[in-house]
Amino acid sequence: EAGVTQSPTHLIKTRGQQATLRCSPISGHTSVYWYQQALGLGLQFLLWYDEGEERNRGNFPPRFSGRQFPNYSSELNVNALELEDSALYLCASSRTGYSNQPQHFGDGTRLSIL
Amino acid sequence: GNSVTQMEGPVTLSEEAFLTINCTYTATGYPSLFWYVQYPGEGLQLLLKATKADDKGSNKGFEATYRKETTSFHLEKGSVQVSDSAVYFCALSESSGYALNFGKGTSLLVTP
Repeated sequence: EAGVTQSPTHLIKTRGQQATLRCSPISGHTSVYWYQQALGLGLQFLLWYDEGEERNRGNFPPRFSGRQFPNYSSELNVNALELEDSALYLCASSRTGYSNQPQHFGDGTRLSIL
Repeated sequence: GNSVTQMEGPVTLSEEAFLTINCTYTATGYPSLFWYVQYPGEGLQLLLKATKADDKGSNKGFEATYRKETTSFHLEKGSVQVSDSAVYFCALSESSGYALNFGKGTSLLVTP
């Protein structure tokens, strides 16, 4: 079974640009989650999508947005990039959105802002 | 709100030593609890989970028991190997929230 796949592996942008990160969940999983892992801040929840809808959002500004497609893959968009957006962005998927369904993670996209 | 507190690292152990990484949590409901492991340059891998009080999760020689009375989920392994060197994250998921709340992670280094 293929795991969660994320692309690109690395992304280098400059301040003010826009970044798009992509995630393909495990086959059969309908929920996709996005997390930010920044140095010194740990892992923070960004967004949760289930069945094509945004179900929950973490404490991040609106320039962090995304969507989930009919095949359950997902995009994370970050507009007006700032230096502090430099981080590893992790995508996870689960069978459903219920808490006892474990989330399985991809290897992440390393976003660097110059 | 929900939170997870892990012991500060880094933890350095010799091969075959006993490992304990402490984790305590605060939650308003009845959370599910997880341990994830992150090897250098990789994403997180689910190590084990427990969904209700007194459940014991186990995998690859690691164990953790969901203790509601002490709000704890400590990770243990009887004999660590060099290959266990990684960062370990304790996390919870509330029944109403679904997002994972992570602790700050504990770095483990096992030396030969």
